[in-house]
Parts: sequence; structure tokens; C-alpha cells
Amino acid sequence: GAVVSQHPSRVICKSGTSVKIECRSLDFQATTMFWYRQFPKKSLMLMATSNEGSKATYEQGVEKDKFLINHASLTLSTLTVTSAHPEDSSFYICSAQGPNEQFFGPGTRLTVL
Amino acid sequence: GEDVEQSLFLSVREGDSSVINCTYTDSSSTYLYWYKQEPGAGLQLLTYIFSNMDMKQDQRLTVLLNKKDKHLSLRIADTQTGDSAIYFCAERGFSGTYKYIFGTGTRLKVLA
Repeated sequence: GAVVSQHPSRVICKSGTSVKIECRSLDFQATTMFWYRQFPKKSLMLMATSNEGSKATYEQGVEKDKFLINHASLTLSTLTVTSAHPEDSSFYICSAQGPNEQFFGPGTRLTVL
Repeated sequence: GEDVEQSLFLSVREGDSSVINCTYTDSSSTYLYWYKQEPGAGLQLLTYIFSNMDMKQDQRLTVLLNKKDKHLSLRIADTQTGDSAIYFCAERGFSGTYKYIFGTGTRLKVLA
């Protein structure tokens, strides 16, 4: 299947700093990418749908000013967690939409101290 | 709203069959998926079934879909210790946005 990468795989940052996570589709172009958040031992929660060349669509309850999403090219979407706080610590997973399925990245574990 | 439910835990002995169940509420679902997640890793697509199918078999995996009851199951034959993981079902509806709704996940533990 198609390959989606995420960078970094792990990041530890201080409270108040911003962190950028990259999601790349390596062997296909994706006009739509998704960002999910997963709490320990919980399911994936869709945060937003990222559309190339346009604004992201955020799910209810997700702060768009807190979680900035940019999808500047057909192979790259970025999620920036601004002014991170310990409660933002989580596992963030992106996916890229293919013809019949979403292809998932390996995830980024964010720890905010 | 849309909701996808799974039982939280399942424990089986190595060599036995595992059956993981999932119920969903969106009758307009087009595709239904099963994903596997190992600790600290992303999601691995195991199989998917189109909503007009009743069954799909792929090696050790059998997916059964009861559209009337909105019930989906994944059967793993000859379960191995390497099958220990969390299994998520997910549905994709006709929303046009390709959004997935994930189930709560079933933690499968395979006992040697």
C-alpha cells in the first residue's frame, strides 16, 4: 500500500512552545489528509480534515487557533500545536486519502513538560 | 450522531479463533474497515468490506457484515501471539468528505 510518513516520531517540548508535525505522502498525491489524536488506550479522534490549497475543516470542539493546519502541497500537511500545554500531550496520527482508503502515518508522540 | 462500538477486551489461546465484533449506526456507510494497532505504532489496514457485501475472506481473516443489524465482525483463524494488538473497526459514510468514524478499539490478548 501507499506510504505515509510523519516527522518527528517523538517530540518533547516545554510548556508554552510550539511544535510542528509533518505528514508526507511519499508515493502518491493526496488532496485530502486527516489529523487524528489518540489518548492512551482510547480510540482515534478526528481533529480536522486538511484540504490542499484551502483551509482545514475542524471537528467540533477542536480549537483551530491552537492546532494550525497547513496543506501547502499535494504531498505535505503540517500540524502545529501552538503554545503547547501538558494536556496537549498525546499521540497524533495523520492519514492521506487514497482512492478507497486512508493511508496512515506511524504517528507522533508529543510530550509537553 | 454516528457511533461505532466495540467490546474493549478479548483474550484467546494461541491456535484458537478470535472474533472481534463491531456495531455501527450510520446506515449510509459505504466501506467498513478493520485496522490493527501495535503498541506505539500507527494503524495497519487489515481488510475492508464494501457495504453491499456480506462476507470477505483474506487468508486467516474473515469479515462478516450484517447490514440489517449494522453489525461487523472480524474472525482471525489460528490466532498467534503476534496478533496481540488493538483492533479498530471504522466506517466511512456517504458524507463526501471521506471521513472515518473509528470504533472504540478491542484489545486482543493471545495467550501462549
